Amino acid sequence: DTGVSQDPRHKITKRGQNVTFRCDPISEHNRLYWYRQTLGQGPEFLTYFQNEAQLEKSRLLSDRFSAERPKGSFSTLEIQRTEQGDSAMYLCASSVGQGGETQYFGPGTRLLVL
Amino acid sequence: QQQVKQSPQSLIVQKGGISIINCAYENTAFDYFPWYQQFPGKGPALLIAIRPDVSEKKEGRFTISFNKSAKQFSLHIMDSQPGDSATYFCAASIPPSNTGKLIFGQGTTLQVKP
Repeated sequence: DTGVSQDPRHKITKRGQNVTFRCDPISEHNRLYWYRQTLGQGPEFLTYFQNEAQLEKSRLLSDRFSAERPKGSFSTLEIQRTEQGDSAMYLCASSVGQGGETQYFGPGTRLLVL
Repeated sequence: QQQVKQSPQSLIVQKGGISIINCAYENTAFDYFPWYQQFPGKGPALLIAIRPDVSEKKEGRFTISFNKSAKQFSLHIMDSQPGDSATYFCAASIPPSNTGKLIFGQGTTLQVKP
């Protein structure tokens, strides 16, 4: 068990470009969460999956954001037409749902939009 | 009602002293209260957690005190060490039978002076 991994760890992009992040959860963890953390703040919930189904999306997740989890394994988070306000750390966490509250976080992807 | 309020924002403690961080919540549906530790450039790591049917939980130098009637809980770090210098987040969880998502406090930056 190597923990939750995220790729890339850092991403610098120009405003208006699209970016995609990947998260590989702990194997056999059926729940996967995406959070966003801005400087000096706690992580804020964006969305979560139970297996391949996306069950909840925060109002923070505008229509420029889309997340997928094909086959219930890894997940991707795509941001289209990036804006400077999207600059943040994007964190992924996984857990065993229905009784397993402990969420294990990955190292995050730090996005800087110029 | 979804907020978790954390204080203080920052804390400086001498080595060997006791660090105390407080959190308060409003939503009585929360049923799991973890504390996470985060070092710069890393994802949050679970430190200790408690459920509302327990008033105190201790793991090594870390203790959570929980006051259900006051809707408050706190983290005590005994014999604080320079290696404890990090940002600490309290959180509260919606039951996994619902979403299991975590609502985080704003964070406390702890500095332990040698």
